[in-house]
Amino acid sequence: NAGVTQTPKFRILKIGQSMTLQCTQDMNHNYMYWYRQDPGMGLKLIYYSVGAGITDKGEVPNGYNVSRSTTEDFPLRLELAAPSQTSVYFCASTQGLLSNQPQHFGDGTRLSIL
Amino acid sequence: AQSVTQLGSHVSVSEGALVLLRCNYSSSVPPYLFWYVQYPNQGLQLLLKYTSAATLVKGINGFEAEFKKSETSFHLTKPSAHMSDAAEYFCAVSRSSYDKVIFGPGTSLSVIP
Repeated sequence: NAGVTQTPKFRILKIGQSMTLQCTQDMNHNYMYWYRQDPGMGLKLIYYSVGAGITDKGEVPNGYNVSRSTTEDFPLRLELAAPSQTSVYFCASTQGLLSNQPQHFGDGTRLSIL
Repeated sequence: AQSVTQLGSHVSVSEGALVLLRCNYSSSVPPYLFWYVQYPNQGLQLLLKYTSAATLVKGINGFEAEFKKSETSFHLTKPSAHMSDAAEYFCAVSRSSYDKVIFGPGTSLSVIP
């Protein structure tokens, strides 16, 4: 049971480049989330999904896009990378139809934009 | 709006000493409250959660937290610190089981041998 898997673990981008952060879970969870973590700021919710085909904005969605075509996958896309998007990104998931508190986290993607 | 404050961005304790990590919340409705732990280079793990049942909540690894409505607090404690407890700890709040979780800024715990 792999849990939540994020790829890549590290990435350096140039300003204006685009990339997709991958997230896959094998627990058949309905809820999935993308957070960014900045020093001293805790975690901020970027986007979340309550099931395949359904996504919604979190606290800091600007500059990001998501899709949820399957239950397992929830990729996060950066279209035009900016230095302010340098951060550690975490994907998470939760079981249960009526529970939306993240319980299982991936190990993160460390992204630097130069 | 929900919010969480964690007093002390960094706490140091001696091995075997009491661990006390402070969390105060702001909520317009009875809150759901959580503590998460993050070890270096890893994602977060849910330690425990309060969902309006018993006010003293026991979690994994010997941690517990007490919900005090009058003080709007949800402090995390452990009677005896172990070296393996060194990590970042996050308090979080939610309005309900349907609502999004809002995280505090975190407290880094160091354990001194």
